[in-house]
Amino acid sequence: QKEVEQDPGPLSVPEGAIVSLNCTYSNSAFQYFMWYRQYSRKGPELLMYTYSSGNKEDGRFTAQVDKSSKYISLFIRDSQPSDSATYLCARSYGGSQGNLIFGKGTKLSVKP
Amino acid sequence: ETGVTQSPTHLIKTRGQQVTLRCSSQSGHNTVSWYQQALGQGPQFIFQYYREEENGRGNFPPRFSGLQFPNYSSELNVNALELDDSALYLCASSSGTGGTGELFFGEGSRLTVL
Repeated sequence: QKEVEQDPGPLSVPEGAIVSLNCTYSNSAFQYFMWYRQYSRKGPELLMYTYSSGNKEDGRFTAQVDKSSKYISLFIRDSQPSDSATYLCARSYGGSQGNLIFGKGTKLSVKP
Repeated sequence: ETGVTQSPTHLIKTRGQQVTLRCSSQSGHNTVSWYQQALGQGPQFIFQYYREEENGRGNFPPRFSGLQFPNYSSELNVNALELDDSALYLCASSSGTGGTGELFFGEGSRLTVL
């Protein structure tokens, strides 16, 4: 079993829809959870991070961690065509900032 | 733009050759990490350098090696290239070795091995 599992999609939604992206993880020792966004032909950029469990909101984006079920979610409200990208979930133990374990990524397309 | 620059952006090599990829980190960052991203996959951690010393390594063979220079720029060297080494190689810089995991990625070097 991979440490971080993510449905690769692709996922296609109309503009304005609420998008739900999900990951599961297998190791309870994970401390930090992140969502990265990767546009085509670009490097990933950090979108949001959370520590331990709970919700974190930033504008149209909400990240949620449920440690009891080992589930990570990213919600995008009022999705825009500019949100079309690949979304990668990642986890870190926290001890080594550079050592992130990424999921495969979910490719999202928001249609105008 | 993150301020992390990588070169070359694209290159083609043949099996058995050697390649060197270069990375210039963001100003003020002393840590560099390298990742390999195969097509349709998430990035995989190769290794990290902190103040010119290797500070963590993923599940990659010794033919993947690196260097970090006093100005915190870095190189990734891959010897005896194999077809499966074809991928996007990403460099990421950060400040320090702990914390929340905010890495600033470059746009990558796309390596094709024929």
